[in-house]
Amino acid sequence: QVQLQESGPGLVKPSQTLSLTCTVSGGSISSGGSYWNWLRQHPGKGLEWIGFIYYSGSTNYNPSLKSLVTISKDTSKNQFSLKLSSVTAADTAVYFCAREVAGSGFFDYWGQGTLVTVSS
Amino acid sequence: DIVMTQTPLSSPVTLGQPASISCRSSQSLVHSDGNTHLSWLQQRPGQPPRLLIYRISNRFSGVPDRFSGSGAGTDFTLKISRVEAEDVGVYYCMQATQFPYTFGQGTKLEIK
Repeated sequence: QVQLQESGPGLVKPSQTLSLTCTVSGGSISSGGSYWNWLRQHPGKGLEWIGFIYYSGSTNYNPSLKSLVTISKDTSKNQFSLKLSSVTAADTAVYFCAREVAGSGFFDYWGQGTLVTVSS
Repeated sequence: DIVMTQTPLSSPVTLGQPASISCRSSQSLVHSDGNTHLSWLQQRPGQPPRLLIYRISNRFSGVPDRFSGSGAGTDFTLKISRVEAEDVGVYYCMQATQFPYTFGQGTKLEIK
């Protein structure tokens, strides 16, 4: 069973870079066949897809965030990461990582989520 | 972007009674691979989303058979045959046919 766990600072100052890591267990991010995704949920609101990274290193980002987002991976630690630059209060959200079997069109495993607050 | 519109946004239901949630997409969700990448997720209070249904009507592993999905093209429905207390939460439809993936606004299921 694949498990995902987000980690990172819960508080980020405006204009700084938000950095989160998702640690995967029960499956390897370096084997083909899965997209490793980041999503977020603003307080009391719906879900927003941020983007994913494939085992090859290729990425796909939501155009609404593309210029500010970088998703990378560390196969030695079986982790993938999210960086969101120049954050504002509007980036305050619960951030989730999730797996999609490549081409399946659905997220079968999710992390528990981590709340990131942007505030000075 | 494909816009996903759910109705109703709130659904008070009596225990043991059925519930139905509709989801409409702004364009057809039929992918070039022939599949329709429409899924339904449940989010219980304080929990991450959980996959219920994928590709319109396929129940994910461990999902009770009181949950069913149907539809085609741009119109989809999630049905719960007999609502149980553990079904309380917010339900989302999601499309992964076209980037960026997008979600409905969510439907809050509550017990009367």
